[in-house]
Amino acid sequence: EVQLVQSGAEVRKPGESLKISCKGSGYSFNIFWIGWVRQMPGKGLEWMGTIYPGDSDSRYSPSFQGQVTISVDKSINTAYLQWSSLKASDTAIYYCVRRLPVAGAFDYWGQGTLVTVSS
Amino acid sequence: EIVLTQSPGTLSLSPGERATLSCRASQSVDNSYLAWYQQKRGQAPRLLIYGASSRATGIPDRFSGSGFETDFSLTIKRLEPEDFAIYYCQQYGTSPWTFGQGTKVEIK
Repeated sequence: EVQLVQSGAEVRKPGESLKISCKGSGYSFNIFWIGWVRQMPGKGLEWMGTIYPGDSDSRYSPSFQGQVTISVDKSINTAYLQWSSLKASDTAIYYCVRRLPVAGAFDYWGQGTLVTVSS
Repeated sequence: EIVLTQSPGTLSLSPGERATLSCRASQSVDNSYLAWYQQKRGQAPRLLIYGASSRATGIPDRFSGSGFETDFSLTIKRLEPEDFAIYYCQQYGTSPWTFGQGTKVEIK
């Protein structure tokens, strides 16, 4: 069974750093792009970026380029999303997603990680 | 970037009725790379349709998608109680991949 299991909820202060994780299982982790999607409170979905675990090739939405870093450790089937300096506006649920190989839609979603940034 | 506009914002229907949701793109979606997702309260979204009209694994056949270029639709043939949720379209043909703002299907 394909699963994406994300790390738990986090509370941070503005200016702090954070790295959240997403562990894939039940499939060949290295050959499917993994992405991240943001959902701000009461709002819609926004694609942030994706990474190919096989060679760590990454792509970002212009809205998030330079704001976050997506990385992967294929030895433990885990992808990461990190911030070096959080803002209150980063408060959201973050979902990791697996991308279908050719069709490109997101066929599996993690359970979501709630990140709260508040002073 | 391609802007997706979904309509209506809210659809109020009764179980057993037919639902038709629209997704209009600001420019043509390459290869009909258009997906639909369902999100229930407190849950992660679930893929329903990809490639404009292909049902994802395990999705009942009461869900169907159609359209091409700039006009797409999702039809739910007969609403079941579990279908009341928010539906998002997404294009993944041109980066940055973008989502519509969502259509809420609520019980009338």
